[in-house]
Amino acid sequence: DIVMTQTPLSSPVTLGQPASISCRSSQSLVHSDGNTYLSWLQQRPGQPPRLLIHKISNRFSGVPDRFSGSGAGTDFTLKISRVEPEDVGIYYCMQATQSITFGQGTRLEIK
Amino acid sequence: EVHLVESGGGLVEPGGSLRLSCAASGFTFSSYEMTWIRQTPGKGLEWVSYIPSRGGTIYYADSVRGRFTSSRDNAKNSVYLQMNSLRVEDTGIYYCARDMDGAIRTDYWGQGTLVTVSS
Repeated sequence: DIVMTQTPLSSPVTLGQPASISCRSSQSLVHSDGNTYLSWLQQRPGQPPRLLIHKISNRFSGVPDRFSGSGAGTDFTLKISRVEPEDVGIYYCMQATQSITFGQGTRLEIK
Repeated sequence: EVHLVESGGGLVEPGGSLRLSCAASGFTFSSYEMTWIRQTPGKGLEWVSYIPSRGGTIYYADSVRGRFTSSRDNAKNSVYLQMNSLRVEDTGIYYCARDMDGAIRTDYWGQGTLVTVSS
């Protein structure tokens, strides 16, 4: 199985300031079809996970443009340009190149 | 609007069975694959099963293969997860998610249904 490792596990952030979460995979996520199936999900308290970003950098429908994704191969990053109160929650990276596996989650909290 | 609603969770003793359902609406159900994912205290988010849109091979995680069976009824816009020989470590919230191989994976998730395996 592909292991997904996120850092940090907890990120205290000041409102209006940027935040960044890293995700590293144990092997390349480039699929034989040329796509890289790396997604980012947000789970707000008491809610199911919600797709934010797919294929590294594509924002899903309705996702604010303060969220952006980047990376390639085995190293990926989710950035929030200016943290808002509704961004509090746990963020997961997910790979779907070989089956589906998830990172352990990064808790975003307000300082 | 895409809507997924899981049901069928509950409390069951180890070795028991449950059948989860996921009712879909707001999209052409028969055109999409569906995926079951669970969130457990021990392992966090864990992929459970993937079922193709119309026939074909159904895939399972090693941890549930031989005990869980996925199925779907495109006429009823529903997908099911039959869970047998349940173990304490199967306790968690079970989500169904819309999926499309080669495109956007797990783009919509249901609210989940809680399964508790305990004596």
